[in-house]
Amino acid sequence: DTEVTQTPKHLVMGMTNKKSLKCEQHMGHRAMYWYKQKAKKPPELMFVYSYEKLSINESVPSRFSPECPNSSLLNLHLHALQPEDSALYLCASSPGEGLEQFFGPGTRLTVL
Amino acid sequence: LAKTTQPISMDSYEGQEVNITCSHNNIATNDYITWYQQFPSQGPRFIIQGYKTKVTNEVASLFIPADRKSSTLSLPRVSLSDTAVYYCLVGDMDSSASKIIFGSGTRLSIRP
Repeated sequence: DTEVTQTPKHLVMGMTNKKSLKCEQHMGHRAMYWYKQKAKKPPELMFVYSYEKLSINESVPSRFSPECPNSSLLNLHLHALQPEDSALYLCASSPGEGLEQFFGPGTRLTVL
Repeated sequence: LAKTTQPISMDSYEGQEVNITCSHNNIATNDYITWYQQFPSQGPRFIIQGYKTKVTNEVASLFIPADRKSSTLSLPRVSLSDTAVYYCLVGDMDSSASKIIFGSGTRLSIRP
């Protein structure tokens, strides 16, 4: 299995909802990432888990909460989001040195 | 931060060689240089990664001068399907989340 899967593909939520995005890889990669990408902009890194240790981009608001239950799974818990949080959320994993990352197809999130 | 700078857009024709340069003046000793390709509404796809000198794979070459302050992605004999956004990324998997920053991307358009 050489791919990163993300569910759901699309998500529409209200500002008071709680939802979660899920990501899974079975390539034995040691690092997993969450990115946010707005239209016509580059991906922005939100969180990194390397050997299940979390690194946070300090600019990410606390309404986004990552979780890494094990080395194959990555969740992003969403709570009290704002309309400006609408974006494509990408998950990626990395096998070793450098930044060779394998990206999933993304979850298109719309916050109403 | 190893911020990267790329041309916003480039145009070329089928069958031509295309070279996209990325500047990364503040690259750190442990940083790798990685290039990605992204089509609309898809996750980025890894193209090539290097640390120094020249790296070549089946789709591209990456040229890195001795001072490592820039790099050039070379795409031989492009086709229409190479129309995409190309991102340069500098860093290491062990970098903190706030230090892994995608460049603004180069929008490459290939014409018949």
